[in-house]
Amino acid sequence: EVQLVESGGGLVQPGGSLRLSCAASGFTFSIYEMNWVRQAPGKGLEWVSYISDSGNTIYYADSVKGRFTISRDNAKNSLYLQMSSLRAEDTAVYYCARDLWYTGLFMDVWGQGTTVTVSS
Amino acid sequence: DIVMTQTPLSSPVTLGQPASISCRSSQSLVHSDGNTYLSWLQQRPGQPPRLLIYKISNRFSGVPDRFSGSGAGTDFTLKISRVEAEDVGIYYCMQATQLRTFGQGTKVEIK
Repeated sequence: EVQLVESGGGLVQPGGSLRLSCAASGFTFSIYEMNWVRQAPGKGLEWVSYISDSGNTIYYADSVKGRFTISRDNAKNSLYLQMSSLRAEDTAVYYCARDLWYTGLFMDVWGQGTTVTVSS
Repeated sequence: DIVMTQTPLSSPVTLGQPASISCRSSQSLVHSDGNTYLSWLQQRPGQPPRLLIYKISNRFSGVPDRFSGSGAGTDFTLKISRVEAEDVGIYYCMQATQLRTFGQGTKVEIK
């Protein structure tokens, strides 16, 4: 079964750090590009970051640039999001989702999400 | 940055009746490779999003044929031919031509 499972969310104080993980299974992780997408409580979807299949190309939304770092370990079939200098507005459910550019399929598989709450 | 604007933001529909959602981008979504990377996603209450349509009009695996997508350039439409109870949720358009951007979402609910 094709699956993405996020973990690492929790309660963190403003200014703190957190590392999210996304474990992939049931498909060849190393050929897929990956994204992090977040959804604040009661709000819409916001794209956060993208990483290419090799990890050589990375993009961030302006709202997280300089604070968040995306990475991947293809040997471990895992995607990561290192979040630092966290703010209240980073409170959200964080999803990982895969892309396969050459097919035109973007975000065709999503995880269930992990919740990050930034509060004192 | 490309901005995606959806209308309406809320769509009360009678069961069995059609529904239509529009999505407009702030610039053309035609990529330099000739493709237009416009997708539609559905998010049912309490669930992660699910891909419905990709490249404007291609239904993703397992998506019922009552869902259809159309459009070109900057203007796109998602249509549900006959709304069923399981279609309740929020629908998002998303562009992947230049980074990724989602529309604000359109809530489809039963009258």
